[in-house]
Amino acid sequence: DGGITQSPKYLFRKEGQNVTLSCEQNLNHDAMYWYRQDPGQGLRLIYYSQIVNDFQKGDIAEGYSVSREKKESFPLTVTSAQKNPTAFYLCASSTRQGKIDEQFFGPGTRLTVL
Amino acid sequence: GQSLEQPSEVTAVEGAIVQINCTYQTSGFYGLSWYQQHDGGAPTFLSYNALDGLEETGRFSSFLSRSDSYGYLLLQELQMKDSASYFCALNRGFQKLVFGTGTRLLVSP
Repeated sequence: DGGITQSPKYLFRKEGQNVTLSCEQNLNHDAMYWYRQDPGQGLRLIYYSQIVNDFQKGDIAEGYSVSREKKESFPLTVTSAQKNPTAFYLCASSTRQGKIDEQFFGPGTRLTVL
Repeated sequence: GQSLEQPSEVTAVEGAIVQINCTYQTSGFYGLSWYQQHDGGAPTFLSYNALDGLEETGRFSSFLSRSDSYGYLLLQELQMKDSASYFCALNRGFQKLVFGTGTRLLVSP
């Protein structure tokens, strides 16, 4: 079955530590995205990538970094520079050929900073 | 910049029809989407309006009026499983989405 996987589902981090969240898709989608969701809030775009080896900052990129070395993978690193990293992180992908504006989301990673 | 406003919560009973509104302020966008998210789950796509008017997909319909800076999601024949949060989202280009504040729908028997 095609889809998006994120790991781990729950992640605990000590203050001052960097942590990397995994996102893998086998939908053959060119575009991938990272969002952050805080309790009772909408999703906010952190980074996005339209093609391999290229990515752009979203609305809240400070304290985060990404890479896109393979079409299937778009890992997100939450650095110690991110002041309030506790949140629900969602990865998504989409095809650039579609007429319908649909993004497919992974199950998410819930990050808690201790 | 863009901002999208939605009611925080809507309640309805099974079998009823409910409308969730989305008003926005933006200088330009390509389309308006709607996503459903159950508690702790991933958002799933429901509907998309690139043009003004009504789009119907089964029990769900979505409407967009660019002149009024307004859209809505219409859910018919409500079921208990429709209890979830619903988000509108604007496409700013290259499918960069900005999401609304979300509306929590509670369906009671």
